Amino acid sequence: KNQVEQSPQSLIILEGKNCTLQCNYTVSPFSNLRWYKQDTGRGPVSLTIMTFSENTKSNGRYTATLDADTKQSSLHITASQLSDSASYICVVSSTSGTYKYIFGTGTRLKVLA
Amino acid sequence: DARVTQTPRHKVTEMGQEVTMRCQPILGHNTVFWYRQTMMQGLELLAYFRNRAPLDDSGMPKDRFSAEMPDATLATLKIQPSEPRDSAVYFCASGLRITGELFFGEGSRLTVL
Repeated sequence: KNQVEQSPQSLIILEGKNCTLQCNYTVSPFSNLRWYKQDTGRGPVSLTIMTFSENTKSNGRYTATLDADTKQSSLHITASQLSDSASYICVVSSTSGTYKYIFGTGTRLKVLA
Repeated sequence: DARVTQTPRHKVTEMGQEVTMRCQPILGHNTVFWYRQTMMQGLELLAYFRNRAPLDDSGMPKDRFSAEMPDATLATLKIQPSEPRDSAVYFCASGLRITGELFFGEGSRLTVL
C-alpha cells in the first residue's frame, strides 16, 4: 500500500535553532517528492521538489534530502524564524494509479521567540 | 499573479442545507483536485479532474457529494444534504501535468451546525 509517514507530528523550537523533519514513504513506482509549507488558515505552498536522481536541494534556509534506497526524505530548517511556524507536508508522486499524489499527515512546527 | 481562487472562504450552515463551493483553477492548468482537510485526517482526496473529465472520485461520499467542471475555468463541489461531520476545510488545487507541482487555493472553511 502506498503510504507516506512523517515524524514528528509536532515540534516546538526556539527562534534561531535548527530542526529536521522526517518523511518515510512506501510509494512505488516513485516519481518525485515535494515538501509543502502550510501556514495557518492558508493553502499549502511547494517548498522544494526532489527527483530520483537528486539527494540534496536547498531553498534558502530549507534543505531537503532524499535517500531513494531507504525511501526516506528530510527537511532541515536552519536558523529558524517565527515565520517558519507552520505545518510541513511531504507529498510523494507516483507514475501509476489513477491519482498521483500521496500525502503525509504533516509535521506541525512552532517556533518560539 | 496566477493563483487558484476559491469561494466562499468561510461558510456556516445548518444540517440538511445544500452547500456549493467553487474553484477557479490557474489558467492553462488541466488537472484539478478537490481535497478535504481535517485535524485528524490531514488532506484527503475527494475528486480529481483531468481536462475537465472526472478521473477519480472514489474518496467522495457519493450519496451526498458531487463534483463537476462545467468549463475549464470553474470547478464545483456540492454537498446535499450537509451534515455536521462534513465540517472541514476544503481545498482546490490545480496543476499543469501529472505528478507536477500542485497549486492550492486558500480553502473554504465549512462549518455545519
